[in-house]
Amino acid sequence: DQQVKQNSPSLSVQEGRISILNCDYTNSMFDYFLWYKKYPAEGPTFLISISSIKDKNEDGRFTVFLNKSAKHLSLHIVPSQPGDSAVYFCAASRGYGGATNKLIFGTGTLLAVQP
Amino acid sequence: GAVVSQHPSRVICKSGTSVKIECRSLDFQATTMFWYRQFPKQSLMLMATSNEGSKATYEQGVEKDKFLINHASLTLSTLTVTSAHPEDSSFYICSARFPGGDSPLHFGNGTRLTVT
Repeated sequence: DQQVKQNSPSLSVQEGRISILNCDYTNSMFDYFLWYKKYPAEGPTFLISISSIKDKNEDGRFTVFLNKSAKHLSLHIVPSQPGDSAVYFCAASRGYGGATNKLIFGTGTLLAVQP
Repeated sequence: GAVVSQHPSRVICKSGTSVKIECRSLDFQATTMFWYRQFPKQSLMLMATSNEGSKATYEQGVEKDKFLINHASLTLSTLTVTSAHPEDSSFYICSARFPGGDSPLHFGNGTRLTVT
């Protein structure tokens, strides 16, 4: 049972344009959501997070939007740069701040930013 | 800079042998570390939660006798793949979280295990 889903396995965007990566979840108990970026043969790198009390969080070129009623979140990258090319994972957990909260990951979306 | 160090980055071993992977938290104490596994083109799957000073908590379907976890200190957790088989070939990644507060998981760079 895939509780966190990323339905687009890949996305190609022109440099300078906006990249929008989507993620859906099924467990209404999730209240903390994160986006990670991963290069091949490396561990994921944390990008940005959002708690369920917010619907938007922004950090530089990265913005995460959360729609709780739709159980949907998205990551916007603008402007997109070739160095953003990587696999992006969304992740969710119940609760945050506690060291034992488990993260459930989506299947990832491969973003390719074309120069 | 890196906050979680994992070693080795890649290892090749023969079937039937055991392999130990180390995960260290750098400059912070982690009472809990997490071990993930990733198959090609698939998601990261949580294998187990490593608890300092006590037994690890394994996810459903993960054999605890196959994947031995030891969290002997506040900065080190080890995963030993015992009697490795080719189907154990995968990318293993550990993670830890800064204690307290709203802190995300930080991941090591992973270990690529190939069993021949």
